[in-house]
Amino acid sequence: GESVGLHLPTLSVQEGDNSIINCAYSNSASDYFIWYKQESGKGPQFIIDIRSNMDKRQGQRVTVLLNKTVKHLSLQIAATQPGDSAVYFCAENWAGSYQLTFGKGTKLSVIP
Amino acid sequence: DAGVTQSPTHLIKTRGQHVTLRCSPISGHKSVSWYQQVLGQGPQFIFQYYEKEERGRGNFPDRFSARQFPNYSSELNVNALLLGDSALYLCASSSNRGPIGIGEQFFGPGTRLTVL
Repeated sequence: GESVGLHLPTLSVQEGDNSIINCAYSNSASDYFIWYKQESGKGPQFIIDIRSNMDKRQGQRVTVLLNKTVKHLSLQIAATQPGDSAVYFCAENWAGSYQLTFGKGTKLSVIP
Repeated sequence: DAGVTQSPTHLIKTRGQHVTLRCSPISGHKSVSWYQQVLGQGPQFIFQYYEKEERGRGNFPDRFSARQFPNYSSELNVNALLLGDSALYLCASSSNRGPIGIGEQFFGPGTRLTVL
C-alpha cells in the first residue's frame, strides 16, 4: 500500500519498549484532542481522546498527557508491538467547531 | 456492521476534468465530513454536512463542493482539477448533532485521486 509517512518525523522503537509520541497543538482555544493511528492504505483510526479539563487519560496500553500551559500533547504506548507501526496524528477541536485540525504526524517504526 | 465506505478506491484524472467521490456513512450516522490528505501530511478539513445541510467549510476554493442525500450518503465534487488536487480524500461519519464529541469521527479508507 502507499505510505502516508513520507517526509514525516520518524520514531524507531525496539519491540517491547515504551513509545512516546509528541504533538504541539496550535489553538489555545482547543478543548478536545484525539490521537489517531493511520496504517498504510487506510483511513485514520481512533486511539484515545482527552478533554481540556483533564491532563491525563489512560486506555489499553496507551496514555495521553495534555499540558495546556505549553500547548503540548503526548501519546505513550506501553510495550510497543510490531502492529503499532503506523503514522500517528494528533487532532484538535474547539468549542462550536465541527472540524478536526490535524498535526503533521509521526511515523512509528517498531524494530522486532 | 459495515464501517464508512468510499468509492472509488482509486481514480486517475487529467487536469481540467471533474471528479465525483462518494461516501456512505455508518448506519445511523447523520453527519459526514470530508478531508483531503496530501502525501506526507495530516488530513485537512474540507466540509461537514448534517441532515443535508452544510455545517462547516474549510479553506478550499469554490471548485470543491459537496452534498448529502436523504439516506445520509454524500458526494464530494471537484471541478477544474489541478495537479495539486492529487491526494487521499477521506470521509468520516458521526452520529452527533452537535459539534464533535468524544471519539465520534469514524473514517473510511479514502479515495486516492491522482491528477495527471
